[in-house]
Amino acid sequence: GENVEQHPSTLSVQEGDSAVIKCTYSDSASNYFPWYKQELGKRPQLIIDIRSNVGEKKDQRIAVTLNKTAKHFSLHITETQPEDSAVYFCAASRVDYKLSFGAGTTVTVRA
Amino acid sequence: DTGVSQDPRHKITKRGQNVTFRCDPISEHNRLYWYRQTLGQGPEFLTYFQNEAQLEKSRLLSDRFSAERPKGSFSTLEIQRTEQGDSAMYLCASSPDYRSGRDGTDTQYFGPGTRLTVL
Repeated sequence: GENVEQHPSTLSVQEGDSAVIKCTYSDSASNYFPWYKQELGKRPQLIIDIRSNVGEKKDQRIAVTLNKTAKHFSLHITETQPEDSAVYFCAASRVDYKLSFGAGTTVTVRA
Repeated sequence: DTGVSQDPRHKITKRGQNVTFRCDPISEHNRLYWYRQTLGQGPEFLTYFQNEAQLEKSRLLSDRFSAERPKGSFSTLEIQRTEQGDSAMYLCASSPDYRSGRDGTDTQYFGPGTRLTVL
């Protein structure tokens, strides 16, 4: 089955700086890679996703890159704000199939 | 609210009791997933349905766990003879009909979860 590893487990950044979270996956058949943000006590919410036919996708301050050859993908948050503080999960799957999640990264944005 | 809903939001039970959770997916979503999340970890897949058909069950799902989606709409997850190790957040997610070919049909939308505490 799919195995997703996520690093770092915690990340503290100064407001306005960038944050980068990296994930690797094991199943070469995986072709869908979403990122979820989960605030304390709340549901995971999709913030961005990428499919294997593209290498990069950007949505305002958030971007995701995918390297299928190396089986890794990354989340980049620029100009971080206090409301970006949360736990972020990467996941991998084949389209329309169960998600395999990383262990999560707790991001703290210092004011 | 047209998102995924789950009931109850919290459940405290004694070891050995049976519990049942309900998930109402987004209307017209034909895929429904159950995940379990323990503290400090990512969600782990338990089982999923395509309409009323249960297509896959994780090895995490022991014979004490059963899930149904009788009419292809809401789903229930039952845990019999609960154990302290069952304490976790149980999350439900739904996704649209992939056969439509529309973009985003693989996006899974999560409910707020049911937090189970087994004493």
